[in-house]
Amino acid sequence: AQKITQTQPGMFVQEKEAVTLDCTYDTSDPSYGLFWYKQPSSGEMIFLIYQGSYDQQNATEGRYSLNFQKARKSANLVISASQLGDSAMYFCAMREVGFNDYKLSFGAGTTVTVRA
Amino acid sequence: NAGVTQTPKFQVLKTGQSMTLQCAQDMNHNSMYWYRQDPGMGLRLIYYSASEGTTDKGEVPNGYNVSRLNKREFSLRLESAAPSQTSVYFCASSPSRTSGKETQYFGPGTRLLVL
Repeated sequence: AQKITQTQPGMFVQEKEAVTLDCTYDTSDPSYGLFWYKQPSSGEMIFLIYQGSYDQQNATEGRYSLNFQKARKSANLVISASQLGDSAMYFCAMREVGFNDYKLSFGAGTTVTVRA
Repeated sequence: NAGVTQTPKFQVLKTGQSMTLQCAQDMNHNSMYWYRQDPGMGLRLIYYSASEGTTDKGEVPNGYNVSRLNKREFSLRLESAAPSQTSVYFCASSPSRTSGKETQYFGPGTRLLVL
């Protein structure tokens, strides 16, 4: 069963506007972490933001914020004031508890294109 | 500080050929991982090594073998390449779990084409 679901294959956003990327997850583990990564056309994976399952507040990192709705198992990424450099593929990932390892499960990704 | 490095960057193989993808990290991380990325499927874990001396299968291990040569290096071997193994391969590393917030650090990827 798919653990991470990203339902938006592609999105267009106007420069300077905000965009929300959807991510839902499936786990029975009470302790887990959610990550968002950016993959520009050059191919590297860039860590953006982290949300822990026990964190009381939604995570924020500069223009990135995470809308975490635990009961709905949803961890949407919000990019504010979009820039042309935000055009990329975005992946949501989840870490489940492991004693000594740190495996991540990734969603299929959402491609964001920022228009001038 | 190079982070995670991978060689080669690009490789073309014929069906049945073998090759080894190399990965090294200079961050003193305990855990290392190999993923493959296919269009529309995100990254899928092939094998991982939680610490030096241990390796475990991930989601899609068939057709691959790994070696954790030392703490720095983690190689992925294709013994008999198949067209279905055409993909982009990423190596990643992470420190031991402490706060749980630790991200994985990814290499630049290796593009493999199997004809």
